[in-house]
Amino acid sequence: SQTIHQWPATLVQPVGSPLSLECTVEGTSNPNLYWYRQAAGRGLQLLFYSVGIGQISSEVPQNLSASRPQDRQFILSSKKLLLSDSGFYLCAWSIAAGPSYGYTFGSGTRLTVV
Amino acid sequence: KNQVEQSPQSLIILEGKNCTLQCNYTVSPFSNLRWYKQDTGRGPVSLTIMTFSENTKSNGRYTATLDADTKQSSLHITASQLSDSASYICVVRASGGSYIPTFGRGTSLIVHP
Repeated sequence: SQTIHQWPATLVQPVGSPLSLECTVEGTSNPNLYWYRQAAGRGLQLLFYSVGIGQISSEVPQNLSASRPQDRQFILSSKKLLLSDSGFYLCAWSIAAGPSYGYTFGSGTRLTVV
Repeated sequence: KNQVEQSPQSLIILEGKNCTLQCNYTVSPFSNLRWYKQDTGRGPVSLTIMTFSENTKSNGRYTATLDADTKQSSLHITASQLSDSASYICVVRASGGSYIPTFGRGTSLIVHP
């Protein structure tokens, strides 16, 4: 069966420090991968998605970047965190197509920038 | 522009009562609609998925309905339990190769004892 792992679960970082969040998927190959951010009381905002190794699409201009160095690995990074980067970050994967297409989410990372 | 609107924004009910959450969408052409449950501090988990030809789908005490003509869906929760307290998110995907579905902002449900 497919599983998705996301870590760390919580993170407190000072302003200006770097960030690296990692997400890996097991039990499937060539998944679509996504990074979402959820601010308190708000909906899910798509940050990045990837349909293959090295292929990254960015949905919003921001202080973050994403990379996909391996088929089932997706990394969210920042060189210098801002206070506004605080939030709940979710990784998700999906199959490419089909009527039952849908997301499977990771357990999330609560990032607090102080 | 594809949009998904959910109502109410928040809801408080007593344990054991039923409730219905609403989802209206403008996503076109329609492929599927999913309801997710998101517990506080956790990732969303899929409850039901409905395609164009389906108008009712159940998962235990959760029953989703879909009216593709009016572009409305509802999620009915029967005999609510404290563990039903969560955010419920409606997500609609268009057909035609788009990888990115459209998310509603969710309904926050609180079940009181």
